[in-house]
Amino acid sequence: QKEVEQNSGPLSVPEGAIASLNCTYSDRGSQSFFWYRQYSGKSPELIMSIYSNGDKEDGRFTAQLNKASQYVSLLIRDSQPSDSATYLCAVKDVTGGFKTIFGAGTRLFVKA
Amino acid sequence: DTAVSQTPKYLVTQMGNDKSIKCEQNLGHDTMYWYKQDSKKFLKIMFSYNNKELIINETVPNRFSPKSPDKAHLNLHINSLELGDSAVYFCASSQEANEQFFGPGTRLTVL
Repeated sequence: QKEVEQNSGPLSVPEGAIASLNCTYSDRGSQSFFWYRQYSGKSPELIMSIYSNGDKEDGRFTAQLNKASQYVSLLIRDSQPSDSATYLCAVKDVTGGFKTIFGAGTRLFVKA
Repeated sequence: DTAVSQTPKYLVTQMGNDKSIKCEQNLGHDTMYWYKQDSKKFLKIMFSYNNKELIINETVPNRFSPKSPDKAHLNLHINSLELGDSAVYFCASSQEANEQFFGPGTRLTVL
């Protein structure tokens, strides 16, 4: 069974610190990777997508992908209390075409 | 506004009833999805349609029946509701298999 694993947390960081969220996946052939943010009681919203090994930066967010290690991470620099949410890692199933497998999410709490 | 919309936002019903949830997207996407998010917040794919064709049909009780009248709409009908069906149901859309955009969710409570 193809899986996406995340530490459920909560991960607690002080305001202004770097939050590091990690994700591993089981399907070595996966090509597309996504990070979604979900506030309590709200729907998931896309933060980043990454398709190639290395880093991809967008504002305070950096996604990192290492396909050899089957590992994808999200760094949030200068963390703000408004970043407190659950972060979902998602991986597109190569064989399934349109099927995206979500991790269970990591709860992030940024202390003011 | 361009978005994925769902109705109703809340649904409270008795066990054994039949209910429907509707979803519409005006993003011009060709693929739509239904997800179930349980109390542990795990988001699990149920169905997906691409240009009105069913392409993903996960292990879901056959009490759940999706229907896509056109590529902008995807509805979910649930027969003989059970306590375990209580969850938040999210509709989403994407262009091909790229990033997905989610609707606001429908919180279903079965009493």
